[in-house]
Amino acid sequence: DTEVTQTPKHLVMGMTNKKSLKCEQHMGHRAMYWYKQKAKKPPELMFVYSYEKLSINESVPSRFSPECPNSSLLNLHLHALQPEDSALYLCASSQDRASGSYNEQFFGPGTRLTVL
Amino acid sequence: AQKITQTQPGMFVQEKEAVTLDCTYDTSDQSYGLFWYKQPSSGEMIFLIYQGSYDEQNATEGRYSLNFQKARKSANLVISASQLGDSAMYFCAMRESNTGFQKLVFGTGTRLLVSP
Repeated sequence: DTEVTQTPKHLVMGMTNKKSLKCEQHMGHRAMYWYKQKAKKPPELMFVYSYEKLSINESVPSRFSPECPNSSLLNLHLHALQPEDSALYLCASSQDRASGSYNEQFFGPGTRLTVL
Repeated sequence: AQKITQTQPGMFVQEKEAVTLDCTYDTSDQSYGLFWYKQPSSGEMIFLIYQGSYDEQNATEGRYSLNFQKARKSANLVISASQLGDSAMYFCAMRESNTGFQKLVFGTGTRLLVSP
């Protein structure tokens, strides 16, 4: 199984809503990532989890709250978002081996988020 | 800081022809890695090919090859025998850390359109 799944595929939410994005992989990867991608732009890294611990937070606003309940699951909790947070949110996973391997990231199909 | 530059916003190629997508990079690290990803309109990022800074041979994966010129700091992607399904956005990316997980910096991308 070389697949990263993301749910939901599409999400429309108001600025006062609380919602969550879910990402799952069963490749035994121990590194998981959240990216934000605006239209016609490259993905921007938001968070990295390594062995279920938050390793990188790229100064993301606190209205985005990541969670890694286990090695296969990654969530992104959303609260009080702004219209400018509308984007494609991509999840990825990779091996976490320091040397001798390039550890390519496998991406999910993304969640298209619209904030009204 | 590391930087990736893709100077071609869009490229056109006829089916069965070869096409080269340009990528230059800037880094002061001796050890680094370069990736190419394909993003169809569906949104998922698909890993194509990897080149390590110490690799002496240019990487190849099927119809994809990487023209790696270390002194020029370029890592151009060559797609041979283009197919209609190759129409997509292509991103060049650099690994920014030597940790097990991969912090990737992406270029701005090149949109490739393959015509019949």
